[in-house]
Amino acid sequence: DTEVTQTPKHLVMGMTNKKSLKCEQHMGHRAMYWYKQKAKKPPELMFVYSYEKLSINESVPSRFSPECPNSSLLNLHLHALQPEDSALYLCASSQDSRASRNSPLHFGNGTRLTVT
Amino acid sequence: AQSVTQPDIHITVSEGASLELRCNYSYGATPYLFWYVQSPGQGLQLLLKYFSGDTLVQGIKGFEAEFKRSQSSFNLRKPSVHWSDAAEYFCAVRNNFGNEKLTFGTGTRLTIIP
Repeated sequence: DTEVTQTPKHLVMGMTNKKSLKCEQHMGHRAMYWYKQKAKKPPELMFVYSYEKLSINESVPSRFSPECPNSSLLNLHLHALQPEDSALYLCASSQDSRASRNSPLHFGNGTRLTVT
Repeated sequence: AQSVTQPDIHITVSEGASLELRCNYSYGATPYLFWYVQSPGQGLQLLLKYFSGDTLVQGIKGFEAEFKRSQSSFNLRKPSVHWSDAAEYFCAVRNNFGNEKLTFGTGTRLTIIP
């Protein structure tokens, strides 16, 4: 069982919809991440939150909007997506993104997103 | 910038045979190195990590990896594979200063034949 929980597992949305992906961890980690993974490709970093503040945005289009309400929760708000945004979206957490650089990332099982 | 190369896109191994998956990194100093495994439709699970000390590291599920600075490599090994080891394997590198970015290799898909 993964210690990072993502909901929903699957999501189908139209290009005019607004939806949100949710991620939760209770390991006391202070860094949380969103990754996007296309089929047969490695995960690509989208955002990093460190101590609830956005520390890295990998030039992600504004139709993806992250939010970190507290140290245990991470959301990804989706609006006006394109079919090419269909992918597996992975959330991860680590103890501390800077001070414990050897701290591994713990991944959730992802949300399979399909944009129609 | 750091980078990771996994030269083998797909490897097929017989059950019970030994396994070695290759990983080469590009980074100026000693990086933090990780191996992750991903089963179909699942997230990534950490197999092992290296950041200093003994260059041979043991991980879960009987895997080990050896850090070789002279070859800039961090190859993953297992003496005897099981059918359940069939999955995608990712090598990843993280620098030891600066930003928090974890960079993944392109992955190696492992197929196990009876």
